[in-house]
Amino acid sequence: LAKTTQPISMDSYEGQEVNITCSHNNIATNDYITWYQQFPSQGPRFIIQGYKTKVTNEVASLFIPADRKSSTLSLPRVSLSDTAVYYCLVAASGTGRRALTFGSGTRLQVQP
Amino acid sequence: GAVVSQHPSWVICKSGTSVKIECRSLDFQATTMFWYRQFPKQSLMLMATSNEGSKATYEQGVEKDKFLINHASLTLSTLTVTSAHPEDSSFYICSARARTMNTEAFFGQGTRLTVV
Repeated sequence: LAKTTQPISMDSYEGQEVNITCSHNNIATNDYITWYQQFPSQGPRFIIQGYKTKVTNEVASLFIPADRKSSTLSLPRVSLSDTAVYYCLVAASGTGRRALTFGSGTRLQVQP
Repeated sequence: GAVVSQHPSWVICKSGTSVKIECRSLDFQATTMFWYRQFPKQSLMLMATSNEGSKATYEQGVEKDKFLINHASLTLSTLTVTSAHPEDSSFYICSARARTMNTEAFFGQGTRLTVV
């Protein structure tokens, strides 16, 4: 399984764009990159998933360079409610029987 | 997206008693469910993989006789913490993945177990 490395914590202010980068040097050809958000005392919540280039949805963008050895989660104009832990995971497609392995995650603190 | 429901959300029990936590996939069939444990300020640690109709697979260091897992149907898995002790107090989270090309996993809301 590809190991991921993220910053332990980040601080930001309301209204700013936040970019969290994750490195996954050993990513395999059939691995997808997925980001989850977790609030205290809640289960992780899916944010975005991608394989290459750029993916955008209503809450975030995911940038993946051509070599796929890293990825960047971009949160536009964060608010206080975006304070949470963000996890980057890589996992192969079609492997519903395999659990997702969580790294340490990035604790994002958004201040007023 | 698909919904995974976990019950109860929190439970307090006395030391030495057993507690059962249920995990249900509400709108899809999950042949495999996963149980995680999370201590304060730490990441999720996989405890076991629950397979419908067969025995669960436990991660190294997880006592199978203490954490009993039953996957009775394609939509229900249960985790029973037997003879609970204060050190078992933690946040337990279940997860399920549908058997599709998409690797998204769906998580329950978690169960806060406090053993007193």
